[in-house]
Amino acid sequence: DAGITQSPRHKVTETGTPVTLRCHQTENHRYMYWYRQDPGHGLRLIHYSYGVKDTDKGEVSDGYSVSRSKTEDFLLTLESATSSQTSVYFCAIRRDMNTEAFFGQGTRLTVV
Amino acid sequence: QQQVKQSPQSLIVQKGGISIINCAYENTAFDYFPWYQQFPGKGPALLIAIRPDVSEKKEGRFTISFNKSAKQFSLHIMDSQPGDSATYFCAATLTGYALNFGKGTSLLVTP
Repeated sequence: DAGITQSPRHKVTETGTPVTLRCHQTENHRYMYWYRQDPGHGLRLIHYSYGVKDTDKGEVSDGYSVSRSKTEDFLLTLESATSSQTSVYFCAIRRDMNTEAFFGQGTRLTVV
Repeated sequence: QQQVKQSPQSLIVQKGGISIINCAYENTAFDYFPWYQQFPGKGPALLIAIRPDVSEKKEGRFTISFNKSAKQFSLHIMDSQPGDSATYFCAATLTGYALNFGKGTSLLVTP
């Protein structure tokens, strides 16, 4: 497995609370991504990073923010969690934009 | 707007049969077409990928067929096995951009 660790693996949180998910990589890959996976929707891109402090929005970025202060860490924050953000969140990394994407094991987030 | 459309949503195949999953894309500039396999509780993993300069790529029992003029590509799994039961995602992208995924196909191979 590629050196990607997502934490936590499972979380239950209440509506309106802030939540931060962490993706840690040991591969020194430049590109990092956050996707959410929902039944009937496949994998949808939330945000991605193309370097330290360089991030951009994906197709479903509303309600989410990200930060990347170090090459190895990419944080996804839900500022005020809503039930619609209940999902499985996957982090992915790529060495460059012409190579394979490796995915983490996922974080199952439930907002009640 | 969904950039990659995948069908069928689910598929049941008998052991030894051929599984076929189809994808269509909109952007003619796309130049990388991977397929990912996902087992329950795991993240997706690259299965096989193709670029538009070839019409077919084969790796073991897995083959991608690519039709540039029709903007379609498909995954064929020959001699399907129960261990192939998983969710399969096609994706497409232009080099330099993030992957656009289809909605996935849940494959069940029965003994």
